Amino acid sequence: KAGVTQTPRYLIKTRGQQVTLSCSPISGHRSVSWYQQTPGQGLQFLFEYFSETQRNKGNFPGRFSGRQFSNSRSEMNVSTLELGDSALYLCASSLGGTSGYRETQYFGPGTRLLVL
Amino acid sequence: AQKITQTQPGMFVQEKEAVTLDCTYDTSDQSYGLFWYKQPSSGEMIFLIYQGSYDEQNATEGRYSLNFQKARKSANLVISASQLGDSAMYFCAMTGNTGNQFYFGTGTSLTVIP
Repeated sequence: KAGVTQTPRYLIKTRGQQVTLSCSPISGHRSVSWYQQTPGQGLQFLFEYFSETQRNKGNFPGRFSGRQFSNSRSEMNVSTLELGDSALYLCASSLGGTSGYRETQYFGPGTRLLVL
Repeated sequence: AQKITQTQPGMFVQEKEAVTLDCTYDTSDQSYGLFWYKQPSSGEMIFLIYQGSYDEQNATEGRYSLNFQKARKSANLVISASQLGDSAMYFCAMTGNTGNQFYFGTGTSLTVIP
């Protein structure tokens, strides 16, 4: 079974631009979560999508948004990029059942975003 | 809310020796899951092992075992017979019973010395 894939792997943008990152979950997985990883803040939860609906949301400004398509693929968008948005963005997928604490999240390779 | 604490920023271990990475957690949920992930320098988070709050036996997966002490709220990862390829960041994480959100610790950098 193919793993979680993320595109692009690397991205360089300038302040003020916007960016869209893509995530394809493991086949059969309906939940997709996004995380931001920085040296200073560590791993922080952005949001989780299940069946095209945002089910959970972390504490990030509205510039960070996402969506999920009917095939469970997900995209996240960051508008008006700031220098502090430079990070590794990780996507994770899981089955998405109601017993969330039993489910393992499987991560993709991440997208490294550099904002200049 | 859930909280994960990893107090060892960096650890060194001799090849073929065992090493324990510490993790303590805090939650008011009765149902929760505890996870360990490995992150090599490439960035991908690799799932290692899972322990559920109601599991009475400690989880094991090959050379990885999870020393679960519920009363002490600790979930330490034990790696036996360390290999050079084990050098990486290791993250402890947990979920509560309210959803699919993971809470991560700050990680421990493990270096295996030949």
